[in-house]
Amino acid sequence: GQQVMQIPQYQHVQEGEDFTTYCNSSTTLSNIQWYKQRPGGHPVFLIQLVKSGEVKKQKRLTFQFGEAKKNSSLHITATQTTDVGTYFCAGPGSGGSNYKLTFGKGTLLTVNP
Amino acid sequence: DSGVTQTPKHLITATGQRVTLRCSPRSGDLSVYWYQQSLDQGLQFLIQYYNGEERAKGNILERFSAQQFPDLHSELNLSSLELGDSALYFCASSVDPGRLSGANVLTFGAGSRLTVL
Repeated sequence: GQQVMQIPQYQHVQEGEDFTTYCNSSTTLSNIQWYKQRPGGHPVFLIQLVKSGEVKKQKRLTFQFGEAKKNSSLHITATQTTDVGTYFCAGPGSGGSNYKLTFGKGTLLTVNP
Repeated sequence: DSGVTQTPKHLITATGQRVTLRCSPRSGDLSVYWYQQSLDQGLQFLIQYYNGEERAKGNILERFSAQQFPDLHSELNLSSLELGDSALYFCASSVDPGRLSGANVLTFGAGSRLTVL
C-alpha cells in the first residue's frame, strides 16, 4: 500500500534558526497537504500543493512539491517559539483508494528561546 | 472551534468494555474520517464515509466499527477493548473525498482521548 515517509522525526532548533522537514511518498500524488499539530491540540490544515514543482509561501513558511510529485518539503525561516509542534504531510491514495488520506509520521519541532 | 464536534473529550474504561465515540462534521461537509493517534505512531487512518456510505478502509480492527447516519454525524464503536487501544481518536471532515483540489482538505475535531485500564 501507499507509504508516506517524513524525516526527520524530531528536530530541535534555537530560536532564529531555520528548519526543514521532508516528505516522500511511495506513489505519485495528485496533491499533497501539510498540517500542523500544536502540543495537546489537533491537526490544522496549512496548505495544499497540486502542481508539479509548485512552490507556495506563507510568511516564513515555504512549501515545495517535487517535479515527480512524489516528494515535498516544508521550510521555516527564522523559527519562533510559536512554530513549536508536529508537522505532518499527507497524500491521497492512488487508484481505487484515492479517498484515503495517508499521513506521514510527522516531524516534531521544538524551539529553544 | 474547528466546526467538527467530538464527544466525549475524555473517556476512561476497563479492558473488555465497549465505547462509542461520536462526531458531528463541519456544516456543509459530507465526508467523515476517523484517525487513531498513539504515542509515536502518527495518525493512523481507520475508516472514511461519504454521505452515509463507507468509501475507504484503513487499518481498522475487526473489534472496531463505524457508521455515518443520515444527518451526517458519525459514530466509532470500539469493543472488547484492550490496553493497546488507549489513544487519541480524531474525527475529521471534508467537503468531498475525491481528488479535486481543495475538496479533500480535512478539518479535524479536538479528539476523544480513550484510556483503557
